[in-house]
Amino acid sequence: NAGVTQTPKFRVLKTGQSMTLLCAQDMNHEYMYWYRQDPGMGLRLIHYSVGEGTTAKGEVPDGYNVSRLKKQNFLLGLESAAPSQTSVYFCASTRTGTGQPQHFGDGTRLSIL
Amino acid sequence: AQSVTQPDIHITVSEGASLELRCNYSYGATPYLFWYVQSPGQGLQLLLKYFSGDTLVQGIKGFEAEFKRSQSSFNLRKPSVHWSDAAEYFCAVGLPNTGNQFYFGTGTSLTVIP
Repeated sequence: NAGVTQTPKFRVLKTGQSMTLLCAQDMNHEYMYWYRQDPGMGLRLIHYSVGEGTTAKGEVPDGYNVSRLKKQNFLLGLESAAPSQTSVYFCASTRTGTGQPQHFGDGTRLSIL
Repeated sequence: AQSVTQPDIHITVSEGASLELRCNYSYGATPYLFWYVQSPGQGLQLLLKYFSGDTLVQGIKGFEAEFKRSQSSFNLRKPSVHWSDAAEYFCAVGLPNTGNQFYFGTGTSLTVIP
């Protein structure tokens, strides 16, 4: 059971470069989420999606874009990376409905120099 | 505004001792409550959840949590800690009518002394 898979696991970028993080889930979940985790701040929601073709902003969306072209994939893009975006990024997914537990990937550690 | 507070940033316990991790939430109605555990370099794993009914819920790895409406709390407990329980623990609130968004606490780091 793969669950939620994030690609890549590690990446180092230079300021101003762009990149895309990929999240794939094989559980047929409707909802998907992107978080960033920073020391002492817990997990903060960047963007989320409640279904294929839909996206919405979370708590900290600035500097990021997302796309959900296929139900199983949720992409997070950084158009022009900044040092403040150095973080660990987690993707999660859940079934439809309030109160369903979120299932997490193992994270992507991203450093912006 | 909704919030989740974990007042203890770091806790150290001896192996075999009991454990209680605190979580308080601020939300207008009774939310859906979760505890997750994160081992170093890993994602978050669900320990247990509370939706309704019995206020004492059992989870995996011998953990339990008690929902107290009057205190807006959902504290995590374990009677006897094992060295493998050393990890980061997160309390989360699930909000209705928001696409199942979660609010997470800032986490409590647990160290277990042999």
